Amino acid sequence: GEEVAQTPKHLVRGEGQKAKLYCAPIKGHSYVFWYQQVLKNEFKFLISFQNENVFDETGMPKERFSAKCLPNSPCSLEIQATKLEDSAVYFCASSQYSSGDYEQYFGPGTRLTVT
Amino acid sequence: KQEVTQIPAALSVPEGENLVLNCSFTDSAIYNLQWFRQDPGKGLTSLLLIQSSQREQTSGRLNASLDKSSGRSTLYIAASQPGDSATYLCAVSLGGYNKLIFGAGTRLAVHP
Repeated sequence: GEEVAQTPKHLVRGEGQKAKLYCAPIKGHSYVFWYQQVLKNEFKFLISFQNENVFDETGMPKERFSAKCLPNSPCSLEIQATKLEDSAVYFCASSQYSSGDYEQYFGPGTRLTVT
Repeated sequence: KQEVTQIPAALSVPEGENLVLNCSFTDSAIYNLQWFRQDPGKGLTSLLLIQSSQREQTSGRLNASLDKSSGRSTLYIAASQPGDSATYLCAVSLGGYNKLIFGAGTRLAVHP
C-alpha cells in the first residue's frame, strides 16, 4: 500500500503478559524501522531491517524484545513478559531510496498500555 | 554520541505570526535532517527533508534551513494558522538507511 499500516491501534496487557505488534511497510520499501515513543515525545530507536535481515539492532533491549520481518508477512515486534515501563507508543517506519532521498515514512503507531 | 536539542519546548502565538523553531545537533557529520509534525495521539507526518549538501528546503508556508557546520537547523512557518498547532520534531540521520535521532520537539499552539 501507499501508507505504513500498524496493528493493533491499542493494546492493553497485564504485567508479565506477551505483546505482539505488527507493521506492514509501504509496498516496495525494503527498510523497516521500529521506534518507541515514551513520555514527553522522547523517541527511541529499537531495530531496523533490510528485507528480512536485521540491519541495526543497537537500540533493542537484549531481553524480552524480539522482532522479525519475514517474506510476504507483516513485520512484527514482540515483547515477552511485559513490564510497566514498556508502556509507550510503538512506531514503525519504512524507507526506500528514491530521487536522492532516504525519507522515512511513519505509521500511525500502536499504543501499548501495561497494567 | 549524537544529541538533538529543540528550542523552545513550547510556543503559543496568535494567528498570523511568522515563527522560527530551532533544532541543534552535536555531531555535524549528519547525512540528512527531517522535520516532522505530530498531532496529539497521531503518527508523524514528514514535512521536509534536507540532505547534508543542501542549505534549505521549502514547502508552501514552511522553510527549513540547515547549517551543518554549526550544527543547526531552523523551521520557519509563515503566517501561522490554528491548524498549524501540533508538536514539531526534528531528527537527524548519520547515513542513508540509518536510524533517526530525534529531538524532544516543540509544542506549538496557534490561537485565533
